[in-house]
Amino acid sequence: QSVLTQPPSVSGTPGQRVTISCSGTSSNIGFNTVNWYQQVPGTAPKLLIYSYNQRPSGVPDRFSGSNSGTSASLAISGLQSEDESDYHCAAWDDSLNGWVFGGGTKLTVL
Amino acid sequence: EVQLLESGGGLVQPGGSLRLSCVASGFRFSRYAMNWVRQAPGKGMEWVSYISGGGGTTYYADSVRGRFNISRDNSKNTLYVQMNSLRAEDTATYYCVKDYGNYPYYFDYWGQGTPVAVSS
Repeated sequence: QSVLTQPPSVSGTPGQRVTISCSGTSSNIGFNTVNWYQQVPGTAPKLLIYSYNQRPSGVPDRFSGSNSGTSASLAISGLQSEDESDYHCAAWDDSLNGWVFGGGTKLTVL
Repeated sequence: EVQLLESGGGLVQPGGSLRLSCVASGFRFSRYAMNWVRQAPGKGMEWVSYISGGGGTTYYADSVRGRFNISRDNSKNTLYVQMNSLRAEDTATYYCVKDYGNYPYYFDYWGQGTPVAVSS
């Protein structure tokens, strides 16, 4: 059971906009920034969004992050087939003194 | 170019021990906190342990505290985790992960991972 809660799967068609939610508590998302990682199955994750809504160099602006209270969201607009991956949210937890993750969300592009 | 190369994974019996290593290159290793993060087959990510750049601050997940020990040798640009009293539930791919700074902010680079299987 992961500390952060994500939907196990989402899907969309090419060109659509999809969102992935990440729900936590006041000791993690409510107090610290949320980061998102993209993982093509069988490979290592890579940083996608940090500090709620910042994109590292090379990440398309189709990817955006937002937060509200103890929840955060990842939005992907103009969905492309290569976006089909697993997406993981993470935040530092002040009560646990450690990083906590969501269970991961599998994005399928139909 | 930042590179993180893990080694030391393998098959071990329950109750056994294993030490994973991660050789880092492409950045000033001693200036950055490092972590171990694992992923069990078909599961999500689980953070395992954190160590500050100088090695003076460490944190552990409850699931491994008292059994795992994280350390680093900054003269060798190498991160370690000594894993003792291994259990079946420790079976996972273990990733060496670099923090953005010398504090928990975000993970900016991941190694390719080394698999650990705990089974009799």
